[in-house]
Amino acid sequence: KAGVTQTPRYLIKTRGQQVTLSCSPISGHRSVSWYQQTPGQGLQFLFEYFSETQRNKGNFPGRFSGRQFSNSRSEMNVSTLELGDSALYLCASSQGSGKANYGYTFGSGTRLTVV
Amino acid sequence: AQSVTQPDIHITVSEGASLELRCNYSYGATPYLFWYVQSPGQGLQLLLKYFSGDTLVQGIKGFEAEFKRSQSSFNLRKPSVHWSDAAEYFCAVGAQNTNAGKSTFGDGTTLTVKP
Repeated sequence: KAGVTQTPRYLIKTRGQQVTLSCSPISGHRSVSWYQQTPGQGLQFLFEYFSETQRNKGNFPGRFSGRQFSNSRSEMNVSTLELGDSALYLCASSQGSGKANYGYTFGSGTRLTVV
Repeated sequence: AQSVTQPDIHITVSEGASLELRCNYSYGATPYLFWYVQSPGQGLQLLLKYFSGDTLVQGIKGFEAEFKRSQSSFNLRKPSVHWSDAAEYFCAVGAQNTNAGKSTFGDGTTLTVKP
């Protein structure tokens, strides 16, 4: 079956712009989590959506937001981009009842570069 | 709060030699533990997971890990390393219930394999 699909793979934006990243989870997976990966900070949790509801949010400013649709596809948005937002953004989906994470399946990520 | 420590930032082993990557965790209850591998520019792939039961778990690509509650450790092992195992390895601890979609990752260990 198809894996987790993230689009686009690469993105170059200018400071102050906004960006929307998309994630299609594995069919049947209702939980979608987003992570930011940078060399200095490692993997940082952004937020998680389960059945269209944001269940958890990491310690990121309000410029970072997301949503999940009824088909479990998810988008994340970053407004007023800063140079420090340059990172690999990873989407991960997981199955289960929502009470336990049985392990993520990750997408290949979106490499965002802010210039 | 949960946390994960991977004491070794970088490990170099010769092809055919055995491998052990260390992971220590902090979590208030019985943890859900994972090992993931990441090749350059790619997302993470789940190698193995521990939820309960047998403390020695087998994963893909010939990897295994042992959960030791008394030492708060979950070390990854492989008896004979192949050149294709060169990658970055992440240990993670997962929460449960409403926090199930949020995992905490270690900073990673980069594995270099010498011919």
